[in-house]
Formats: sequence, C-alpha cells, structure tokens
Amino acid sequence: DAGVIQSPRHEVTEMGQEVTLRCKPISGHDYLFWYRQTMMRGLELLIYFNNNVPIDDSGMPEDRFSAKMPNASFSTLKIQPSEPRDSAVYFCASSLAGEGYGYTFGSGTRLTVV
Amino acid sequence: GENVEQHPSTLSVQEGDSAVIKCTYSDSASNYFPWYKQELGKRPQLIIDIRSNVGEKKDQRIAVTLNKTAKHFSLHITETQPEDSAVYFCAVGGDDKIIFGKGTRLHILP
Repeated sequence: DAGVIQSPRHEVTEMGQEVTLRCKPISGHDYLFWYRQTMMRGLELLIYFNNNVPIDDSGMPEDRFSAKMPNASFSTLKIQPSEPRDSAVYFCASSLAGEGYGYTFGSGTRLTVV
Repeated sequence: GENVEQHPSTLSVQEGDSAVIKCTYSDSASNYFPWYKQELGKRPQLIIDIRSNVGEKKDQRIAVTLNKTAKHFSLHITETQPEDSAVYFCAVGGDDKIIFGKGTRLHILP
C-alpha cells in the first residue's frame, strides 16, 4: 500500500480564495482524521470520520471550514474563504478500528495564505 | 474533553545520555497512549504505544511507562544518538480518536 496520500503537498493562495485539500486513506482503514499543525497550537484535531460518516467536527475552527468523505477512498477539507491565519500544515491520517488506533499520517499539505 | 500536557517543550541531552519526556492527561477513561516522532518537514510517525492494562513497554532503546492512578506517562530514550533529534508528541486515546500533546523538541548534542 502507498500509505495515506495527500494532495497538494504545497498550496499558496490569496486571501479570500477557496482552498481544497485532498486525502486518500489506506485501503481498508475505516477511520479518517484531519489535523492542523502550527507552532503555536501543535497538532489540532479538526474532524474525523468513521465509515465515511463525520463523527466529531467540534475541532473545526469556523464555518469557513468544511470536510466531506463521499466514499471510503477519498476525503476533502475545504476552506472558503481562506484567511492568512489558516496558514498551517494540514495532515490527514487513517486507522483501522481494533488495531490499536495506530494512525498512519499522510505527508501533509503546507498551506500558505497571503 | 481530554487535556494533554507535555513537558518539557525543549530538551537538550548529550549524545549517549538518556532523555525523558513526560505527559499528563485528564480523562480517566483514556486507555491508549502512543508516542510519535516527527522529523523536520516530515509526517509524525508512531514509535511506541501502550495500553492501560500495561505499566511499561520497551522496544530497544525506547520505553514507555504509564501510571494510570496519577494519569501520567513517560517516554524514555536511552543511549541517545544524533538521529534521535526530532519533535516527540505524546497522545491519549479513548474510544476512537487521539489527542496530542504540544510536543517536545529533542536536541542531541555532540
């Protein structure tokens, strides 16, 4: 398996633009997580899905953030409109229930909003 | 919700010495305690984990200890090497998600 695949690796966008981050979890994993990493706040859990269903989105900072998982092999995190304070590294991770929650992280998307 | 505190935020040790990183948590129902290592510009990677029915676990130079009564757990790295330089995150899990500490930046000095 190629692991968790995220795209793009880097994204630079202007304030006010829509940004869409993509994630392909490991095949067979039934949990998918979106995290945001900044120096100040560390690794924050934004939202997670179980069997494509959102379970907890309490970490989503504002209504500008939304996430979907239309099928078991794809998820998106969208920011609309983007703001400079959204600049961070966004990680997707997946896991299989019953296997010790051993998350596998993707390589992350470094988002810069100017 | 769960609150995870990690100390210290930065740690410098001489190569060959031991390093200890400590974490505390708030939710007594938590039952899974992993540690992740993140090298500069890379993804966090699981290095060791422990469940609440185990007090200690060791894997070569890395060990984790858990005190459920006091709600704290620690990562021990012995005989540190230059490649141990990284940021280390503790995390706490209950049902299905895990919450991370803020991280410890470990520097191994030559």
